[in-house]
Amino acid sequence: DIQMTQSPSSLSASVGDRVTITCRASQGISNNLVWFQQKPGQAPKSLIYAASSLQSGVPSRFSGSGSGTDFTLTITSLQPEDFATYYCLQYYDYPSSFGQGTRLEIK
Amino acid sequence: QVQLVESGGGAVQPGRSLRLSCAASGFTFSHYAMHWVRQAPGKGLEWVAVIWSDGTNRHYSDSVKGRFTVSRDNSENTLYLQMSSLRDEDTAVYYCARSSSAIPWNYWGQGTLVTVSS
Repeated sequence: DIQMTQSPSSLSASVGDRVTITCRASQGISNNLVWFQQKPGQAPKSLIYAASSLQSGVPSRFSGSGSGTDFTLTITSLQPEDFATYYCLQYYDYPSSFGQGTRLEIK
Repeated sequence: QVQLVESGGGAVQPGRSLRLSCAASGFTFSHYAMHWVRQAPGKGLEWVAVIWSDGTNRHYSDSVKGRFTVSRDNSENTLYLQMSSLRDEDTAVYYCARSSSAIPWNYWGQGTLVTVSS
């Protein structure tokens, strides 16, 4: 099974900052990675698919990159509504697997 | 608009069974693979199961294999998760999600809570 290691587990930042979250797969997964955002009490929301494609309606301050085993989610110019928990998911092979999550908090 | 509405959650004793449903609308249900994902209280997301658009193929996480069965009724636009031999650790909010090869994982339901406790 493929393991997804996400870092950091938590992150403090200020409005306007640029932040980067990383996800590493235990084996190559090509670009079969999705990034999600989840706010308390809500379902996850897809931000990025195929490692770097922006889901419809997602602001362009979100971007994804990577292929193979190493992936990043970058948020430029943080907005108040961006403080949430972020997860990666690999869909290269089953069982699919999520990263442990990164909690993004206001500094 | 695309809607996924889960139902069937509730409180159940360990060892018992429960069936969850996910009613789909606003899209051609039979064209999409469907997933179940769960989230234990205060914990991260855990992928549970997937079923192909035509129901011909299914996969499960190791934690539920042999106890849970995913199925679908494309004529009723409904996804199911039959859960048997429930354990305390199955307590979670269960979400259904839609996926396609073109745009994976782009819609989720709001979830239904399953509580397993004696």
